[in-house]
Amino acid sequence: DTAVSQTPKYLVTQMGNDKSIKCEQNLGHDTMYWYKQDSKKFLKIMFSYNNKELIINETVPNRFSPKSPDKAHLNLHINSLELGDSAVYFCASSQTASGNTIYFGEGSWLTVV
Amino acid sequence: SQQGEEDPQALSIQEGENATMNCSYKTSINNLQWYRQNSGRGLVHLILIRSNEREKHSGRLRVTLDTSKKSSSLLITASRAADTASYFCATLPNAGGTSYGKLTFGQGTILTVHP
Repeated sequence: DTAVSQTPKYLVTQMGNDKSIKCEQNLGHDTMYWYKQDSKKFLKIMFSYNNKELIINETVPNRFSPKSPDKAHLNLHINSLELGDSAVYFCASSQTASGNTIYFGEGSWLTVV
Repeated sequence: SQQGEEDPQALSIQEGENATMNCSYKTSINNLQWYRQNSGRGLVHLILIRSNEREKHSGRLRVTLDTSKKSSSLLITASRAADTASYFCATLPNAGGTSYGKLTFGQGTILTVHP
């Protein structure tokens, strides 16, 4: 069984479109994250939710909006996509918000053309 | 700003050899973690070392931490072709009080193990 699953795995879309990436974890964890990995493999945290409450909100464009309907799900919606948004987006979770072991999903490859 | 920086950026060795990767960081940390990423996959947690620990082992992995030098190393002994992957260090800063899991990752070391 996949612990942290995200869909879609691949997404090719045109500039200006709005898209969503969904994430679910079946580990019973309290905390979920969105990370962005750029073409140079640099991994940067975007958001974190703990029990559906936003606890980390890094400096990202407000075109990116996370939504956590319950603590097992954290979705990422992106409005007005730009070329620079092309990256791999990783969902992740951890048992608590304390910063110990983080479990990553397999990534969603977003290409904006 | 980027916290962990790995060195070397790329490492190519033969099967059976040992691989050593280094990580340097800038601020005081609560813990340091190493992750592995196979091509096209997500990151997998390997090992966590706390700021009051100096060395930790897990199977063929050995991690050291020198807080005075703000550096860590990951040693993979008797490497296998299946160890080919990118390896990332990640640091959890000492924020005082509640420290949410704001792990900061380096850019990784690409390890290639030739059969």
